[in-house]
Amino acid sequence: DTGVSQNPRHKITKRGQNVTFRCDPISEHNRLYWYRQTLGQGPEFLTYFQNEAQLEKSRLLSDRFSAERPKGSFSTLEIQRTEQGDSAMYLCASSPSLNTEAFFGQGTRLTVV
Amino acid sequence: AQTVTQSQPEMSVQEAETVTLSCTYDTSENNYYLFWYKQPPSRQMILVIRQEAYKQQNATENRFSVNFQKAAKSFSLKISDSQLGDTAMYFCASPNTNAGKSTFGDGTTLTVKP
Repeated sequence: DTGVSQNPRHKITKRGQNVTFRCDPISEHNRLYWYRQTLGQGPEFLTYFQNEAQLEKSRLLSDRFSAERPKGSFSTLEIQRTEQGDSAMYLCASSPSLNTEAFFGQGTRLTVV
Repeated sequence: AQTVTQSQPEMSVQEAETVTLSCTYDTSENNYYLFWYKQPPSRQMILVIRQEAYKQQNATENRFSVNFQKAAKSFSLKISDSQLGDTAMYFCASPNTNAGKSTFGDGTTLTVKP
Protein backbone atom coordinates (compact mmCIF):
# COMPACT_ATOMS: atom_id res chain seq x y z
CA ASP A 1 0.00 0.00 0.00
CA THR A 2 1.63 3.26 -1.11
CA GLY A 3 -0.84 5.63 0.54
CA VAL A 4 -0.39 7.80 3.62
CA SER A 5 0.01 5.60 6.68
CA GLN A 6 -0.77 6.64 10.25
CA ASN A 7 -0.04 4.82 13.47
CA PRO A 8 -1.60 4.01 15.78
CA ARG A 9 -5.13 3.97 14.42
CA HIS A 10 -6.61 4.34 17.88
CA LYS A 11 -5.17 5.63 21.13
CA ILE A 12 -6.82 5.83 24.54
CA THR A 13 -4.90 7.73 27.16
CA LYS A 14 -5.44 9.14 30.59
CA ARG A 15 -5.61 12.87 31.06
CA GLY A 16 -2.17 14.30 31.70
CA GLN A 17 -0.26 11.66 29.77
CA ASN A 18 1.83 12.35 26.69
CA VAL A 19 1.03 10.74 23.36
CA THR A 20 2.87 10.57 20.05
CA PHE A 21 1.45 9.79 16.63
CA ARG A 22 3.35 8.86 13.51
CA CYS A 23 2.63 9.62 9.87
CA ASP A 24 4.39 8.11 6.87
CA PRO A 25 3.54 10.14 3.78
CA ILE A 26 3.45 8.94 0.21
CA SER A 27 7.04 8.54 -0.84
CA GLU A 28 8.49 11.57 -2.63
CA HIS A 29 5.72 13.83 -1.37
CA ASN A 30 7.70 16.68 0.10
CA ARG A 31 4.73 18.40 1.67
CA LEU A 32 3.10 17.03 4.79
CA TYR A 33 0.07 18.35 6.70
CA TRP A 34 -1.55 17.63 10.04
CA TYR A 35 -5.24 18.26 10.63
CA ARG A 36 -7.56 17.69 13.58
CA GLN A 37 -11.15 16.59 13.12
CA THR A 38 -13.72 16.55 15.91
CA LEU A 39 -17.00 14.71 15.64
CA GLY A 40 -19.43 16.31 13.25
CA GLN A 41 -16.98 18.88 11.95
CA GLY A 42 -14.59 19.25 9.09
CA PRO A 43 -10.84 18.91 9.51
CA GLU A 44 -8.98 21.91 10.88
CA PHE A 45 -5.45 22.67 9.75
CA LEU A 46 -2.76 22.31 12.40
CA THR A 47 0.64 22.50 10.74
CA TYR A 48 2.53 22.07 7.49
CA PHE A 49 5.99 20.84 6.54
CA GLN A 50 7.93 21.22 3.36
CA ASN A 51 10.61 18.58 3.57
CA GLU A 52 11.97 18.86 7.12
CA ALA A 53 11.02 22.51 7.60
CA GLN A 54 7.89 23.35 9.53
CA LEU A 55 6.59 26.29 7.53
CA GLU A 56 3.28 27.05 9.15
CA LYS A 57 1.50 26.45 12.44
CA SER A 58 -2.12 27.14 13.27
CA ARG A 59 -3.18 28.99 16.39
CA LEU A 60 -4.86 25.69 17.30
CA LEU A 61 -1.43 24.22 17.89
CA SER A 62 -0.91 25.14 21.52
CA ASP A 63 2.37 24.89 23.40
CA ARG A 64 1.49 21.33 24.37
CA PHE A 65 1.62 20.25 20.74
CA SER A 66 4.81 19.69 18.82
CA ALA A 67 5.40 18.23 15.39
CA GLU A 68 8.58 17.13 13.71
CA ARG A 69 9.62 15.76 10.38
CA PRO A 70 13.24 14.68 10.66
CA LYS A 71 14.99 14.14 7.36
CA GLY A 72 11.85 15.14 5.51
CA SER A 73 10.35 11.67 5.60
CA PHE A 74 7.93 10.53 8.31
CA SER A 75 6.44 12.96 10.79
CA THR A 76 5.45 12.75 14.44
CA LEU A 77 2.88 14.76 16.34
CA GLU A 78 3.26 14.82 20.10
CA ILE A 79 0.72 16.07 22.60
CA GLN A 80 1.98 16.68 26.11
CA ARG A 81 -0.21 16.68 29.21
CA THR A 82 -3.27 15.62 27.29
CA GLU A 83 -6.64 17.13 28.10
CA GLN A 84 -10.13 15.83 27.38
CA GLY A 85 -10.53 18.54 24.77
CA ASP A 86 -7.72 16.93 22.78
CA SER A 87 -9.98 13.97 21.98
CA ALA A 88 -10.33 14.00 18.21
CA MET A 89 -9.25 12.35 15.01
CA TYR A 90 -5.77 13.48 13.94
CA LEU A 91 -5.32 13.35 10.19
CA CYS A 92 -2.11 13.43 8.25
CA ALA A 93 -1.93 14.26 4.57
CA SER A 94 0.77 14.72 1.98
CA SER A 95 1.13 16.26 -1.45
CA PRO A 96 3.89 16.52 -4.05
CA SER A 97 3.48 20.19 -4.91
CA LEU A 98 1.76 23.44 -4.02
CA ASN A 99 -0.77 22.92 -6.81
CA THR A 100 -1.80 19.40 -5.84
CA GLU A 101 -4.47 18.49 -3.35
CA ALA A 102 -3.63 16.61 -0.17
CA PHE A 103 -3.82 12.83 0.05
CA PHE A 104 -5.09 11.80 3.46
CA GLY A 105 -4.29 8.94 5.76
CA GLN A 106 -6.93 7.08 7.77
CA GLY A 107 -6.19 9.09 10.87
CA THR A 108 -5.42 8.39 14.52
CA ARG A 109 -8.41 8.59 16.83
CA LEU A 110 -7.39 9.89 20.23
CA THR A 111 -9.61 9.46 23.27
CA VAL A 112 -8.54 11.15 26.49
CA VAL A 113 -10.25 9.73 29.58
CA ALA B 1 -9.70 34.43 6.86
CA GLN B 2 -11.22 31.90 4.55
CA THR B 3 -14.58 30.42 5.39
CA VAL B 4 -16.47 27.52 3.89
CA THR B 5 -20.14 26.92 4.62
CA GLN B 6 -22.13 23.78 3.95
CA SER B 7 -25.73 24.46 4.86
CA GLN B 8 -27.03 20.90 4.57
CA PRO B 9 -25.89 18.74 7.52
CA GLU B 10 -27.71 15.67 6.21
CA MET B 11 -29.21 14.60 2.91
CA SER B 12 -30.60 11.42 1.49
CA VAL B 13 -31.29 10.23 -2.03
CA GLN B 14 -32.72 7.14 -3.64
CA GLU B 15 -30.36 4.92 -5.53
CA ALA B 16 -30.02 5.97 -9.19
CA GLU B 17 -31.37 9.46 -8.48
CA THR B 18 -29.49 12.76 -8.61
CA VAL B 19 -28.55 14.85 -5.61
CA THR B 20 -26.89 18.25 -5.25
CA LEU B 21 -24.80 19.29 -2.25
CA SER B 22 -24.32 23.00 -1.60
CA CYS B 23 -21.24 24.95 -0.59
CA THR B 24 -20.44 28.62 -0.31
CA TYR B 25 -17.04 30.06 0.48
CA ASP B 26 -15.28 33.30 1.04
CA THR B 27 -11.74 34.08 0.03
CA SER B 28 -9.63 37.10 -0.75
CA GLU B 29 -7.51 35.18 -3.22
CA ASN B 30 -7.87 35.67 -6.98
CA ASN B 31 -6.39 32.36 -7.98
CA TYR B 32 -7.43 29.41 -5.87
CA TYR B 33 -8.74 25.88 -5.86
CA LEU B 34 -11.93 24.32 -4.65
CA PHE B 35 -12.32 20.69 -3.72
CA TRP B 36 -14.97 18.20 -2.77
CA TYR B 37 -13.73 15.38 -0.57
CA LYS B 38 -15.57 12.19 0.36
CA GLN B 39 -15.11 10.51 3.75
CA PRO B 40 -16.84 7.11 3.98
CA PRO B 41 -17.56 5.76 7.46
CA SER B 42 -14.31 4.76 9.17
CA ARG B 43 -12.34 5.23 6.00
CA GLN B 44 -9.93 7.82 4.76
CA MET B 45 -10.87 11.01 3.01
CA ILE B 46 -10.46 10.96 -0.75
CA LEU B 47 -10.73 13.66 -3.36
CA VAL B 48 -13.89 13.57 -5.46
CA ILE B 49 -13.37 16.55 -7.73
CA ARG B 50 -11.34 19.75 -8.00
CA GLN B 51 -11.93 23.08 -9.66
CA GLU B 52 -9.40 25.78 -10.47
CA ALA B 53 -10.95 29.20 -9.99
CA TYR B 54 -9.46 30.60 -13.19
CA LYS B 55 -11.27 27.98 -15.26
CA GLN B 56 -14.76 28.98 -16.28
CA GLN B 57 -15.71 25.47 -17.31
CA ASN B 58 -17.25 23.39 -14.56
CA ALA B 59 -15.27 20.31 -13.61
CA THR B 60 -16.73 16.85 -14.19
CA GLU B 61 -15.52 13.47 -13.06
CA ASN B 62 -17.70 10.58 -14.24
CA ARG B 63 -20.95 10.83 -12.24
CA PHE B 64 -19.73 13.84 -10.29
CA SER B 65 -19.92 17.41 -11.53
CA VAL B 66 -19.78 20.86 -10.00
CA ASN B 67 -21.64 24.10 -10.53
CA PHE B 68 -19.04 26.78 -9.90
CA GLN B 69 -20.37 30.31 -9.62
CA LYS B 70 -17.32 32.46 -8.95
CA ALA B 71 -19.11 35.78 -8.47
CA ALA B 72 -21.55 34.23 -6.04
CA LYS B 73 -18.75 32.20 -4.38
CA SER B 74 -20.82 29.08 -4.71
CA PHE B 75 -19.51 25.59 -5.45
CA SER B 76 -22.12 22.84 -5.47
CA LEU B 77 -21.58 19.14 -6.15
CA LYS B 78 -23.99 17.13 -8.25
CA ILE B 79 -23.97 13.35 -8.01
CA SER B 80 -25.82 11.62 -10.80
CA ASP B 81 -27.04 8.03 -10.78
CA SER B 82 -26.37 7.76 -7.04
CA GLN B 83 -24.94 4.46 -5.85
CA LEU B 84 -24.97 2.84 -2.42
CA GLY B 85 -21.21 3.32 -2.27
CA ASP B 86 -21.71 7.08 -2.45
CA THR B 87 -22.95 6.99 1.16
CA ALA B 88 -20.41 9.11 3.02
CA MET B 89 -19.70 12.48 4.50
CA TYR B 90 -18.84 15.06 1.86
CA PHE B 91 -16.66 18.04 2.59
CA CYS B 92 -16.25 21.16 0.56
CA ALA B 93 -12.76 22.61 0.91
CA SER B 94 -11.11 25.82 -0.15
CA PRO B 95 -7.35 26.10 0.09
CA ASN B 96 -5.44 29.28 -0.41
CA THR B 97 -2.56 29.18 -2.83
CA ASN B 98 -1.27 26.02 -1.11
CA ALA B 99 -3.58 23.30 -2.40
CA GLY B 100 -2.75 20.98 0.46
CA LYS B 101 -3.78 23.41 3.17
CA SER B 102 -7.54 23.70 3.07
CA THR B 103 -10.31 25.30 5.03
CA PHE B 104 -13.08 22.72 5.25
CA GLY B 105 -16.80 23.06 5.70
CA ASP B 106 -18.55 21.05 8.40
CA GLY B 107 -19.66 18.45 5.92
CA THR B 108 -22.86 16.97 4.56
CA THR B 109 -23.76 13.41 5.49
CA LEU B 110 -25.22 11.77 2.41
CA THR B 111 -27.19 8.56 2.63
CA VAL B 112 -28.08 6.68 -0.53
CA LYS B 113 -31.14 4.53 0.02
CA PRO B 114 -31.79 1.33 -1.92
